[in-house]
Amino acid sequence: AQSVAQPEDQVNVAEGNPLTVKCTYSVSGNPYLFWYVQYPNRGLQFLLKYITGDNLVKGSYGFEAEFNKSQTSFHLKKPSALVSDSALYFCAVREPHSFSGGYNKLIFGAGTRLAVHP
Amino acid sequence: GAGVSQSPRYKVAKRGQDVALRCDPISGHVSLFWYQQALGQGPEFLTYFQNEAQLDKSGLPSDRFFAERPEGSVSTLKIQRTQQEDSAVYLCASSLPLGGTDTQYFGPGTRLTVL
Repeated sequence: AQSVAQPEDQVNVAEGNPLTVKCTYSVSGNPYLFWYVQYPNRGLQFLLKYITGDNLVKGSYGFEAEFNKSQTSFHLKKPSALVSDSALYFCAVREPHSFSGGYNKLIFGAGTRLAVHP
Repeated sequence: GAGVSQSPRYKVAKRGQDVALRCDPISGHVSLFWYQQALGQGPEFLTYFQNEAQLDKSGLPSDRFFAERPEGSVSTLKIQRTQQEDSAVYLCASSLPLGGTDTQYFGPGTRLTVL
């Protein structure tokens, strides 16, 4: 079965320091991977996705993610954290069977809360 | 509007009441998804529409849940005889289908509380 794991419930980092939010996945076939961010009382905002090509994907707000096939990971990174980055981050993978139907049925991790301290 | 909108943003229902949640997708988006997000969890897929056709309803938890998109634009998720376990945030997302690589854009959600 397809699944996504975000092993850390919370990540704490000081402003200006680099941040990493971890994600590992289990999926049959080639993975399509996504990162979304959720601010309080708001929906999910798309950050970036990996479909194919370069393993380092750049996205919105200075975030990037590295796809590692051998480790089945897709960790989210940012070189210098901002207090405004504090939010809930979700990793997701497309369910392969939905692709045959031509749509992206997403399977989400449980989320990681990022807290950036001044 | 530029994004996906949902209404109401908050809904409180007494157990046993019926509720209807509305989603206005981004104009021109063919695909529409509903997800349920329980407290402290990631979103879980409920159902998928391509235009007016409901192609996947495998995630609907019971026959009390019903979704429609009659004209291929606005969608309504209806929950009959609400139960406390239905309390969650219901998220709607829309996308342009691009062979399965399309990005879903989410609305702000409707927070349903069943008393």
